[in-house]
Amino acid sequence: KAGVTQTPRYLIKTRGQQVTLSCSPISGHRSVSWYQQTPGQGLQFLFEYFSETQRNKGNFPGRFSGRQFSNSRSEMNVSTLELGDSALYLCASSLGGSYSYEQYFGPGTRLTVT
Amino acid sequence: LAKTTQPISMDSYEGQEVNITCSHNNIATNDYITWYQQFPSQGPRFIIQGYKTKVTNEVASLFIPADRKSSTLSLPRVSLSDTAVYYCLVGDKGAGFQKLVFGTGTRLLVSP
Repeated sequence: KAGVTQTPRYLIKTRGQQVTLSCSPISGHRSVSWYQQTPGQGLQFLFEYFSETQRNKGNFPGRFSGRQFSNSRSEMNVSTLELGDSALYLCASSLGGSYSYEQYFGPGTRLTVT
Repeated sequence: LAKTTQPISMDSYEGQEVNITCSHNNIATNDYITWYQQFPSQGPRFIIQGYKTKVTNEVASLFIPADRKSSTLSLPRVSLSDTAVYYCLVGDKGAGFQKLVFGTGTRLLVSP
């Protein structure tokens, strides 16, 4: 089975711009979660989508949004980029059972905001 | 949102057993405790998951006390390739949406 794929792998944007990141989960997985990883804050949960609905949500501002399509692929959008949004954005997929967090991560998208 | 804490770093030698603890005093009642391993420039990799008492698989054991406010990942007979950062992951029982909280991470260095 193919693993979780994320595109693009690297991205450079300017403050104020917006960006869309894409994630393709493992075949058969219905849940997709997004995380932000920075040296200072570590791994932080953004949100989780299950069957096209946002099921869980972290403490990020509304500039961070996402969606999931009927084939379980997911996109994450960040509007009005700030320098502090520079980070590794990780996507993880799972079968989607409640309370179980056995997830499979993609390699991440490295976003640099200048 | 309670913090999920781990020791920042640990050192070990090949062949030794390593125990890494995670404190999660605000864990949600129904949630499992999950541990991940991360190498540089890669996404975290699932190691083991448990709800209570002890769970063992081919690579690790997980010990969870009755109050579930902490957990211990045990790696038997570590090798150089086990050098990585280890994270616990739990659900936090805050109000509203469920929040998934990664621990602060423990950097394990295994030496020959």
